[in-house]
Amino acid sequence: EIVLTQSPGTLSLSPGERATLSCRASQSVSSSYLAWYQQKPGQAPRLLIYGASSRATGIPDRFSGSGSGTDFTLTISRLEPEDFAVYYCQQYGSSPTFGGGTKVEIK
Amino acid sequence: QVQLVQSGAEVKKPGASVKVSCKASGYTFTSYGISWVRQAPGQGLEWMGWISAYNGNTNYAQKLQGRVTMTTDTSTSTAYMELRSLRSDDTAVYYCARGWELLDAFDIWGQGTMVTVSS
Repeated sequence: EIVLTQSPGTLSLSPGERATLSCRASQSVSSSYLAWYQQKPGQAPRLLIYGASSRATGIPDRFSGSGSGTDFTLTISRLEPEDFAVYYCQQYGSSPTFGGGTKVEIK
Repeated sequence: QVQLVQSGAEVKKPGASVKVSCKASGYTFTSYGISWVRQAPGQGLEWMGWISAYNGNTNYAQKLQGRVTMTTDTSTSTAYMELRSLRSDDTAVYYCARGWELLDAFDIWGQGTMVTVSS
């Protein structure tokens, strides 16, 4: 099983700032099969990024994904009020697993 | 619009079984698979398994093997997840999510079903 470790656990930022979230895998993720999801309280997760860097339908271009192998990054270029949420990475190159999440909170 | 609508909340006693449904609409059901993901209160996401709506092939998470069964009814475009021998640590919100195949991201999610296991 591939273990995904997300850091930091919590990110305290102000609207308009840049957010950089990290996801590290215990072994190489096949074919960059890495996704990012956003989850708000009481809601289901929403797909943001798939294939490490492709934005899902309807996702604003302030969200971008990068990385390969074992190190991946989600960047939110300028935080909007609706972006404060928990973010999860997921690998689906083998039996799917999720990271523990990063909470982006208002500073 | 494309959506997955799940059945309502359940309360079960330890040792019982629960069956959660997930009705798909707005797309060709048999062209995709359905994964099930659960989230214990205040915790992260755990993948439980996947079923192909095309041919019924399944792939279950190792830790749930023997306790979980996933099925589909193509006549009603509905997927089901049954979990047996429930324990208190099975208390969670259970989500269904659409993926093209087993190794795919989940682009559409159901609203979630809260399952509480308590004596």
